[in-house]
Amino acid sequence: ETGVTQSPTHLIKTRGQQVTLRCSSQSGHNTVSWYQQALGQGPQFIFQYYREEENGRGNFPPRFSGLQFPNYSSELNVNALELDDSALYLCASSLGQGAANTEAFFGQGTRLTVV
Amino acid sequence: GEDVEQSLFLSVREGDSSVINCTYTDSSSTYLYWYKQEPGAGLQLLTYIFSNMDMKQDQRLTVLLNKKDKHLSLRIADTQTGDSAIYFCAETSSGGYQKVTFGTGTKLQVIP
Repeated sequence: ETGVTQSPTHLIKTRGQQVTLRCSSQSGHNTVSWYQQALGQGPQFIFQYYREEENGRGNFPPRFSGLQFPNYSSELNVNALELDDSALYLCASSLGQGAANTEAFFGQGTRLTVV
Repeated sequence: GEDVEQSLFLSVREGDSSVINCTYTDSSSTYLYWYKQEPGAGLQLLTYIFSNMDMKQDQRLTVLLNKKDKHLSLRIADTQTGDSAIYFCAETSSGGYQKVTFGTGTKLQVIP
């Protein structure tokens, strides 16, 4: 158990819809990152939030957006869903925004299927 | 840009050693990681090594880093059936935020 929980565990949406995925960070962690893992691939970095602000972003379009709340829980929102958005979405919490040596604790992920 | 490559599949017999290899391209990598992912689960950090080290040992795990060749390996001694999983090599570089770049993963199959 990493102390990072994600909800829901599975979700099916229709193309064009919007989706919100949630992540509860490990206690005391002020940084959360989101990753997309397509089937048979490694996770791809979407963005990172530190103290409620986005401070790093990967190669994902603006329809992928996020929020981090004062209690450091987080949401990933995806608008105008496309079939290729079907993937496992992982969030990871850590302490400290830029220290590469701080361990990121991953949740179990949300499996999103877009039909 | 950063790129991390791994072989896709490795099969070993229980009790043998497993060696999973990885190459990366980012010469500014500061930390290199090995993660384990079991079916239906998230990622578990197994071990990491700082780029100025060339070896790290942790119980059954040995990490070797050849920075000149940008080659990282993970050796699992006395491989058990519970080690069957997908293993991801990953790297991060200093840059103001912790972006981890993952390889495509190596599926380790342990044959009893």
